[in-house]
Amino acid sequence: AQSVTQPDIHITVSEGASLELRCNYSYGATPYLFWYVQSPGQGLQLLLKYFSGDTLVQGIKGFEAEFKRSQSSFNLRKPSVHWSDAAEYFCAVGSGYGGSQGNLIFGKGTKLSVKP
Amino acid sequence: NAGVTQTPKFQVLKTGQSMTLQCAQDMNHEYMSWYRQDPGMGLRLIHYSVGAGITDQGEVPNGYNVSRSTTEDFPLRLLSAAPSQTSVYFCASSPGLGREQYFGPGTRLTVT
Repeated sequence: AQSVTQPDIHITVSEGASLELRCNYSYGATPYLFWYVQSPGQGLQLLLKYFSGDTLVQGIKGFEAEFKRSQSSFNLRKPSVHWSDAAEYFCAVGSGYGGSQGNLIFGKGTKLSVKP
Repeated sequence: NAGVTQTPKFQVLKTGQSMTLQCAQDMNHEYMSWYRQDPGMGLRLIHYSVGAGITDQGEVPNGYNVSRSTTEDFPLRLLSAAPSQTSVYFCASSPGLGREQYFGPGTRLTVT
């Protein structure tokens, strides 16, 4: 069965420091991969997506993610974190197959805190 | 273009009451879904629809009903509210199976 693991429940980084949030997935074929961000009291906003092609994907707000098939990973990165990046981040995997296999599977999220 | 809209934003129910959470999208997406979000549990899929007239159960469907009479609307009905249904509910739409989903702002429901 498909699954998504975000190993870090909570991460704290200093403003201006680099950030990497980890995401590992379990899936039999090449998946569609996504990162979402959720600010407190808000809905989820799509940061970036990977379907195929270049394994380094650029997203909004200066984020990028790299798909590594050999490691079944899709880690999210940002070179310099801003205080406004404090939020919860969700990794998700999907496929183009029909029925329930077409639904997205979400990780349980990583909460990011930013120290001034 | 409003995207995905949900009403109400907040709701308090007593145990046993029923209500409908509304969801609408103006992106002409065929695929829509409902999730609940609970602390430490991430997002769990309740029901989804791949087009008007077609719905199916997700991971946690018990206590909820859905219908899809139009492409735009996908309401979620709580038949007899229970405290275990206290949660934040999100509606989402997508241009296709497995594709990116666009989320509404959520409904925070409390059942006492």
